[in-house]
Amino acid sequence: RKEVEQDPGPFNVPEGATVAFNCTYSNSASQSFFWYRQDCRKEPKLLMSVYSSGNEDGRFTAQLNRASQYISLLIRDSKLSDSATYLCVVNKAGNNRKLIWGLGTSLAVNP
Amino acid sequence: ETGVTQTPRHLVMGMTNKKSLKCEQHLGHNAMYWYKQSAKKPLELMFVYSLEERVENNSVPSRFSPECPNSSHLFLHLHTLQPEDSALYLCASSQDLGGRLGEKLFFGSGTQLSVL
Repeated sequence: RKEVEQDPGPFNVPEGATVAFNCTYSNSASQSFFWYRQDCRKEPKLLMSVYSSGNEDGRFTAQLNRASQYISLLIRDSKLSDSATYLCVVNKAGNNRKLIWGLGTSLAVNP
Repeated sequence: ETGVTQTPRHLVMGMTNKKSLKCEQHLGHNAMYWYKQSAKKPLELMFVYSLEERVENNSVPSRFSPECPNSSHLFLHLHTLQPEDSALYLCASSQDLGGRLGEKLFFGSGTQLSVL
């Protein structure tokens, strides 16, 4: 089993739709979780951190489910500019210095 | 403008060439990283430098040679590469190595490398 798994997609959604991605992680001792966004041929950029209590930033909501070992990202009212690859990042258990990156989920928002 | 600049943006090289990738950070950070992103693979950490000292080398082949002359500059020297080394090479920096590192990483735009 991969340490961090994501559905690569692509997810094709119309503008205004709500879309959700999940990311599963294998090590129950992992402590820090993040969502990054990467546009085509660009560098990854931090979108938001995922806290135990959840995290909301405008149209974006991130949640953590420790019991089932996954994190989620919900995007409401999708915009064309949301089209990108969303990378799930988990710290290696017991070592906040080591990050494990998912392969990413590709999102295309269509007019 | 990310504060981390990489040059060149694109590089095509033959297997017998020697080239270098350059990274410069203007953020006053103490740690710098080289990552490799290949098609259909997740980001792979290659090297980590903290205060110009290499603290991590993740079993990277010797044809990749990093150099960190000071805390603002990081180089990746390339020689006798293979076609499978074609990838996006990303430099990143962070204030330090501790804490929630995922919140602290700033990436450069990357160098798209093609090895023929």
